[in-house]
Amino acid sequence: KNEVEQSPQNLTAQEGEFITINCSYSVGISALHWLQQHPGGGIVSLFMLSSGKKKHGRLIATINIQEKHSSLHITASHPRDSAVYICAVTLNTGNQFYFGTGTSLTVIP
Amino acid sequence: GAVVSQHPSWVICKSGTSVKIECRSLDFQATTMFWYRQFPKQSLMLMATSNEGSKATYEQGVEKDKFLINHASLTLSTLTVTSAHPEDSSFYICSANAGFTYEQYFGPGTRLTVT
Repeated sequence: KNEVEQSPQNLTAQEGEFITINCSYSVGISALHWLQQHPGGGIVSLFMLSSGKKKHGRLIATINIQEKHSSLHITASHPRDSAVYICAVTLNTGNQFYFGTGTSLTVIP
Repeated sequence: GAVVSQHPSWVICKSGTSVKIECRSLDFQATTMFWYRQFPKQSLMLMATSNEGSKATYEQGVEKDKFLINHASLTLSTLTVTSAHPEDSSFYICSANAGFTYEQYFGPGTRLTVT
């Protein structure tokens, strides 16, 4: 069983829609990360969270430590948001990442 | 800040040859570097973790004699795929950690095709 579960696996949205991607984990963590991987393969770190909520532009990430759950929200989605979004956690025992399976997002104009 | 480069970005080689991939942290010192492999439409698979000046720690199932990792300095790690076979064709990504944070900074990846 994977320590990190993501849903949905695939998501198609119309431009302008509000998007939510969910991540659940089953272990004690030191931090949770949201990453974005574009079709060319490069990976960008969007957020690192250990509690609460963070916002950057149209992106919002929240985490509930008690429920072991995090969400990534995209407001006013745009075709350039099309990418794979990956949730990853670092455990209390080290700095290795444990990855979710990713959510492939396509935003249609 | 926190830029990681990889070279080459893509490489095609013949079966049986060796290929070296470089991963550099450009504006910070990376105490730990990670090497990942990614198959199409799959998530990243950790191959090994390397700390500067010490031997890499390989994940179970990864052949250390086939995937040679050297972390010679705080800004450079290399992955050498020895005696490459077509099944080694994949996307290889490195990341670097500066030691004082849990963040990893990812390189742009190297696409290896073995013919």
